[in-house]
Amino acid sequence: EVQLLESGGGLVQPGGSLRLSCAASGFTFSSYVMSWVRQAPGRGLEGVSGISGSGGSTYYADSVKGRFTISRDNSKNTLYLQMNSLRAEDTAVYYCAKDGPVWGGKSTFDYWGQGTLVTVSS
Amino acid sequence: SYELTQPPSVSVSPGQTASITCSGDKLGDKYACWYQQKPGQSPVLVIYEDSKRPSGIPERFSGSNSGSTATLTISGTQAMDEADYYCQAWDSSTVVFGGGTKLTVL
Repeated sequence: EVQLLESGGGLVQPGGSLRLSCAASGFTFSSYVMSWVRQAPGRGLEGVSGISGSGGSTYYADSVKGRFTISRDNSKNTLYLQMNSLRAEDTAVYYCAKDGPVWGGKSTFDYWGQGTLVTVSS
Repeated sequence: SYELTQPPSVSVSPGQTASITCSGDKLGDKYACWYQQKPGQSPVLVIYEDSKRPSGIPERFSGSNSGSTATLTISGTQAMDEADYYCQAWDSSTVVFGGGTKLTVL
């Protein structure tokens, strides 16, 4: 059974940093693209960042480019999101999502974690 | 940047057919997928690669994609289908979501 368990969310002041983690199990982690998707309170879904199975390819939403860094440790089956220079508008539930085995065109999130809440406020 | 446009809301009577559209430039040349999200829950994939259903998703859910519009169709809509629905595609090495459609079954 595929499981994705996010952790690391919490309350942080504007300008601060947080690192989110997503522990994966139930599939060959290194073979799949993984992504972070966020949802601000009462708003829709936004693709934040994604990383290929090998870690060699990444994408970032324009809204987080230069501030967030995605990474993965395939030996630990764990996905990370380092978030720096946080702003109030980054407040959201952050979901870890499993994508397909191939980078690009057929992007499909077939499994999602339960989400972790990040609140940016003074 | 690429945009996907969905109607904010759609209403349907129980047992009738609901159609939710998702529009984007040459969307038919890309793969579209659809997610269902109920309050307080994580999204669930209901359609991928335009028209394929994951295992466990009822046959009443179907999808199509042509030209500039992808469509999610729910036949024989049930009260349990009331939820927010999001379309998603990949463009220029970025994941794009539509703004979401609230489906009301009344």
